[in-house]
Amino acid sequence: DGGITQSPKYLFRKEGQNVTLSCEQNLNHDAMYWYRQDPGQGLRLIYYSQIVNDFQKGDIAEGYSVSREKKESFPLTVTSAQKNPTAFYLCASSIDGSSYEQYFGPGTRLTVT
Amino acid sequence: AQSVTQPDIHITVSEGASLELRCNYSYGATPYLFWYVQSPGQGLQLLLKYFSGDTLVQGIKGFEAEFKRSQSSFNLRKPSVHWSDAAEYFCAVVGWNNDMRFGAGTRLTVKP
Repeated sequence: DGGITQSPKYLFRKEGQNVTLSCEQNLNHDAMYWYRQDPGQGLRLIYYSQIVNDFQKGDIAEGYSVSREKKESFPLTVTSAQKNPTAFYLCASSIDGSSYEQYFGPGTRLTVT
Repeated sequence: AQSVTQPDIHITVSEGASLELRCNYSYGATPYLFWYVQSPGQGLQLLLKYFSGDTLVQGIKGFEAEFKRSQSSFNLRKPSVHWSDAAEYFCAVVGWNNDMRFGAGTRLTVKP
């Protein structure tokens, strides 16, 4: 079955700790995206990558970092610099950067206390 | 920059009744428009999309949407709602810089 997996589904961390969220896809898609979702605010783009070893900041990249060493994987690190990290994080992919149909993973809910 | 407005935060309809969810966009040219659905705690699933051509587009699960350039709208409709349609619905637009912008979402409650 092709798709996008995000793990874990729920993640708890103490304030001041970095945490990495996993996103893996087996759709052979070139482009991958990270979004943050807060109640009543829709989805906001954190980072995106159109090709391996390349990525760009989205609207709310501060306090986050990513890597794209493999086509299948696009992990997101939430650093201690992110002031309000508790949120629902969604990973998505598309065939390439100019294909607008994005496929979403099931999401990771991060709670930082 | 392009933007999307979903004026209704929450809508309640009775099962079997018709549904219309509103979406207005701001963009100078013809945008690419999407509707996604999200069940609680889940990712988003694409319902339908409009790129060009026929302004009435059909999607999955019996949904349709109509692009109206004069009103900058892309409203989602379903003639008869089922209890399983209860979810959050997001309208999205892609503009000149290939960024996808999402609306804030409309939560649909279905009454028995």
